[in-house]
Amino acid sequence: ETGVTQTPRHLVMGMTNKKSLKCEQHLGHNAMYWYKQSAKKPLELMFVYSLEERVENNSVPSRFSPECPNSSHLFLHLHTLQPEDSALYLCASSQGDPSYNEQFFGPGTRLTVL
Amino acid sequence: ILNVEQSPQSLHVQEGDSTNFTCSFPSSNFYALHWYRWETAKSPEALFVMTLNGDEKKKGRISATLNTKEGYSYLYIKGSQPEDSATYLCALLAGANNLFFGTGTRLTVIP
Repeated sequence: ETGVTQTPRHLVMGMTNKKSLKCEQHLGHNAMYWYKQSAKKPLELMFVYSLEERVENNSVPSRFSPECPNSSHLFLHLHTLQPEDSALYLCASSQGDPSYNEQFFGPGTRLTVL
Repeated sequence: ILNVEQSPQSLHVQEGDSTNFTCSFPSSNFYALHWYRWETAKSPEALFVMTLNGDEKKKGRISATLNTKEGYSYLYIKGSQPEDSATYLCALLAGANNLFFGTGTRLTVIP
C-alpha cells in the first residue's frame, strides 16, 4: 500500500454519461497529480495541484475537469468522453519540491468509454 | 512535450544475471530524473530521484547513475531475481511540477 487510494478501480461509461474519479492520500502531502496512460504510450501528466491550487494543466480537453477540495482529496470529473479517452488514470501525491521528492502513486482507475 | 527514451523496450534475463538499461533525455531541460518500478497490477513505486551530474544512487541490488551533460541515466540490477520482474520507468522533471515519463523497460527474470 502506497498511502494513495483511488476509486473506482474499474469504470465503464457511455459517451453521454457523467462520472467522477476519486483519489485520496493519507500521507500528509501537499501536491497531487492526475496522469493518463493510454495503451503503448508513456504516462502523461494531466493536472497538478499544489497547496490545493491548480498549477499545471497540460492542454487537457475541457471534458476532463479536476477538483481539489482539500489537500487529501482529488477528483477528476468526466463528461461527454470519447472512446479514445479509454485509458488507465493514475493519481499521485508528493511533498515539497518534486526535484528532490518522489511521487507516490495510487493503483489507478481503468476507464473504458463505449 | 519532451522526448524521454528508454531502451531496450523489454528484456528477459536468467535469474542471477545482472542487467542494465538506459534512459535518454534532452540535457538542456534538466531539473531532476526520477526512476520508478511498476509491477503488474500494482502502483508505480519510486526507486530514485537524482539531481546532480555524476550522481550515483543505490538501493539493495539496484543502482543508478546520471550524466546530465550528455543526457542519460543507467539503471543496474545485480543478480536479478524473479521478484525484480516489472516495468522500470524513468521520468524527467523539466519544470516545477512537470514530469515527462518514458515508455519504460519491461524486465522479465526467468527462474
